[in-house]
Amino acid sequence: EVQLVQSGAEVKKPGESLKISCKGSGYSFTRYWIGWVRQMPGKGLEWMGIIYPGDSDIRYSPSFQGQVTISADKSISTAYLQWSSLKASDTAMYYCARRCSCGSGTSFDYWGQGTLVTVSS
Amino acid sequence: QSALTQPASVSGSPGQSITISCTETSSDVGGYNYVSWYQQHPGKAPKLMIYDVSNRPSGVSNRFSGSKSGNTASLTISGLQAEDEADYYCSSYTSSSTLNYVFGTGTKVTVL
Repeated sequence: EVQLVQSGAEVKKPGESLKISCKGSGYSFTRYWIGWVRQMPGKGLEWMGIIYPGDSDIRYSPSFQGQVTISADKSISTAYLQWSSLKASDTAMYYCARRCSCGSGTSFDYWGQGTLVTVSS
Repeated sequence: QSALTQPASVSGSPGQSITISCTETSSDVGGYNYVSWYQQHPGKAPKLMIYDVSNRPSGVSNRFSGSKSGNTASLTISGLQAEDEADYYCSSYTSSSTLNYVFGTGTKVTVL
């Protein structure tokens, strides 16, 4: 069974750093792109970027380029999303999702349960 | 700002059909041929409902169908059921080296 399991909720202060994770299981982790999606409280979905764990090819949405870092450790089938200096505006739910092999392969068929990040002084 | 515009809300009675539109508003979204639709219930992760404009993943009810005409994609839910009440997002893919994906603005579906 394909699963993406994300790390637990975080409460941080502005200026702190953070790295959240997304562990894949039940499939060949290196062969599927993993995307990250932000959902601010009461708002819609926003693509942040995607990574191919096989060779760490990364594409960032222009809105998030320079704001976050996406990475992966294929030895432990885990993708990461990290911040060097959090802001209150980073408060949101963050989802990881696996790009599917269906059709053109441009959709995301499996999603993590989400990681809630709260940034408050 | 999103390059895909959806109506904020759509409602219907049980058993009726409703259609949600998704209109490309920016030329940055490339060919707009790879459209997906996602359903999101409150407090839950999104779920893929339609891929490549009109294809249903295994396990998705055939009450959900997708289509595209010009710069507008559509999701139709037929035989509306209470469990269909959720937020729906379209998403498009572009093969540019920077912006790969974009979501629509989202539509709240209410079953009356």
